[in-house]
Amino acid sequence: ETGVTQTPRHLVMGMTNKKSLKCEQHLGHNAMYWYKQSAKKPLELMFVYNFKEQTENNSVPSRFSPECPNSSHLFLHLHTLQPEDSALYLCASRGARVNTEAFFGQGTRLTVV
Amino acid sequence: QQQVKQSPQSLIVQKGGISIINCAYENTAFDYFPWYQQFPGKGPALLIAIRPDVSEKKEGRFTISFNKSAKQFSLHIMDSQPGDSATYFCAASANTGNQFYFGTGTSLTVIP
Repeated sequence: ETGVTQTPRHLVMGMTNKKSLKCEQHLGHNAMYWYKQSAKKPLELMFVYNFKEQTENNSVPSRFSPECPNSSHLFLHLHTLQPEDSALYLCASRGARVNTEAFFGQGTRLTVV
Repeated sequence: QQQVKQSPQSLIVQKGGISIINCAYENTAFDYFPWYQQFPGKGPALLIAIRPDVSEKKEGRFTISFNKSAKQFSLHIMDSQPGDSATYFCAASANTGNQFYFGTGTSLTVIP
């Protein structure tokens, strides 16, 4: 256990559905991240939050909508996804001291049908 | 643009052999270089990390070699074991931000 918990672990959704991924950490970290991991592709940074403020949005389509209500929780709201959005979505968190490790959750395996 | 370039994409090593994975970067602002290990169905976990003020860091069978002038760093796994079979990612970050850039990953298979 890394201290970063993601739910659900697996999700199958239709292209017209709306669903949300949840990430929770109680490590006292201030930075939280969403990454997308597709087969044979590098980890793609999607969003970064620092002290609940979004500091990075790497040209992610608007069908992905992040929410960070507090330093411990991070959500990724999904709507009208495409089959190519099927991937492993990883959440990570990191402490306030710069250049420290990021702790990853186990990921949510998303399949869009 | 890929901030961190990693090679090889896959690697097969005999048990007891040395596994070597290489990474290169361009941004001279990077000053923290971790390696992550990922098993199937799990998220990546920190294996070992180095800062550019040293040229080598060793933890057990795992060693990072760092060449600041060449902007390259590598992971060496000595006496490779079947349990080391996993995907390895190098990463880099800069002191000024919260971004973490990852390499494309290397799938390592250690055959008994």
